[in-house]
Amino acid sequence: DAGITQSPRHKVTETGTPVTLRCHQTENHRYMYWYRQDPGHGLRLIHYSYGVKDTDKGEVSDGYSVSRSKTEDFLLTLESATSSQTSVYFCAISEGGGSSYNEQFFGPGTRLTVL
Amino acid sequence: RKEVEQDPGPFNVPEGATVAFNCTYSNSASQSFFWYRQDCRKEPKLLMSVYSSGNEDGRFTAQLNRASQYISLLIRDSKLSDSATYLCVVKINTGGFKTIFGAGTRLFVKA
Repeated sequence: DAGITQSPRHKVTETGTPVTLRCHQTENHRYMYWYRQDPGHGLRLIHYSYGVKDTDKGEVSDGYSVSRSKTEDFLLTLESATSSQTSVYFCAISEGGGSSYNEQFFGPGTRLTVL
Repeated sequence: RKEVEQDPGPFNVPEGATVAFNCTYSNSASQSFFWYRQDCRKEPKLLMSVYSSGNEDGRFTAQLNRASQYISLLIRDSKLSDSATYLCVVKINTGGFKTIFGAGTRLFVKA
């Protein structure tokens, strides 16, 4: 299994509070991604990174920010959590993003509930 | 219309059955195709890539039909351990590559 960990694995928080989720990899892969998964939807990309300090928005980036100060760590911050951000969040990594057949490897997920 | 659509199921089949899932995609710039498997409350994992000529991996066969814009996954001799959600994944060439995940098809294999 690819070396990807996410923390915390579960979190319950209140509306309006900031929340930071952490993804840590030991594979030295260049690309890192944050997705959310909700019933009836496929995984939806929030933000991704193609190198240290290089990030870009995905399709559902509103209300989220990211940072990548080291190759191995990719942080996702919910600036002011809302109930619509209750979801399961997956981090993924891949060696490249430019090749069409680069596999993405996923972390175990973080289950976030915003009350 | 969603860019990648799958029948959500669930498909309930007995052990030993053959089951097939289809997935349709709408963007003609779709370039590469995959099936991922996701167990309950776990992360998705790559099951197999889908190549133009079709490909097989043991009991699993994947096919691509570019003209009709769909891919399929056939599972023969179903095992209890095949129970999972199967995600169709499409990469679209937008200059870079955009990855789109289907919402998944749930399979239950029963003894």
